Amino acid sequence: GQNIDQPTEMTATEGAIVQINCTYQTSGFNGLFWYQQHAGEAPTFLSYNVLDGLEEKGRFSSFLSRSKGYSYLLLKELQMKDSASYLCAVGGRTDKLIFGTGTRLQVFP
Amino acid sequence: GAVVSQHPSRVICKSGTSVKIECRSLDFQATTMFWYRQFPKQSLMLMATSNEGSKATYEQGVEKDKFLINHASLTLSTLTVTSAHPEDSSFYICSARTRRFTDTQYFGPGTRLTVL
Repeated sequence: GQNIDQPTEMTATEGAIVQINCTYQTSGFNGLFWYQQHAGEAPTFLSYNVLDGLEEKGRFSSFLSRSKGYSYLLLKELQMKDSASYLCAVGGRTDKLIFGTGTRLQVFP
Repeated sequence: GAVVSQHPSRVICKSGTSVKIECRSLDFQATTMFWYRQFPKQSLMLMATSNEGSKATYEQGVEKDKFLINHASLTLSTLTVTSAHPEDSSFYICSARTRRFTDTQYFGPGTRLTVL
């Protein structure tokens, strides 16, 4: 079967660092995506990993280990506006993306 | 680049009527477009995959006669919810995929449908 797991909720403090983990089991692998979704809005693309290792993009970094079926999204210098849901999605053998249920992050002052 | 628009952003309709939602890729040609629905506090549920000039591929449990998809060009796909019922009320989101940006799907802003 196909399965993507990520924590349901996380909380953190403004200025801190938070790591959101994602594990996956899929038939085929065409890359792992992270999206940010604010309440009532559509997801926006954050990052894409297809090879093992860390991809850094400003305050956000994403890591992938294909052998472990594992990824994480690292958010540094947290801001209040980072409060949102973070969706992990895997591209499988077909055109489709398989989405996790999302991690709701709340940033407190 | 990679901007996707969706229209309308909100629609309220009476039970039994049909509603059409448009999805356009504004600055790129989309090889494939996808339609999702999302209920409150839940993740995205893929409804169908749409390729230009061919019939859409529907996910299991999605009624193709109720959710009509037309992919008229490489920049436009439409979803028509026919004979809408209150349980069709949801957030409908389209995405467009381009190989120009490593197969990434870019999402439209979504359409909130409320059926009275």
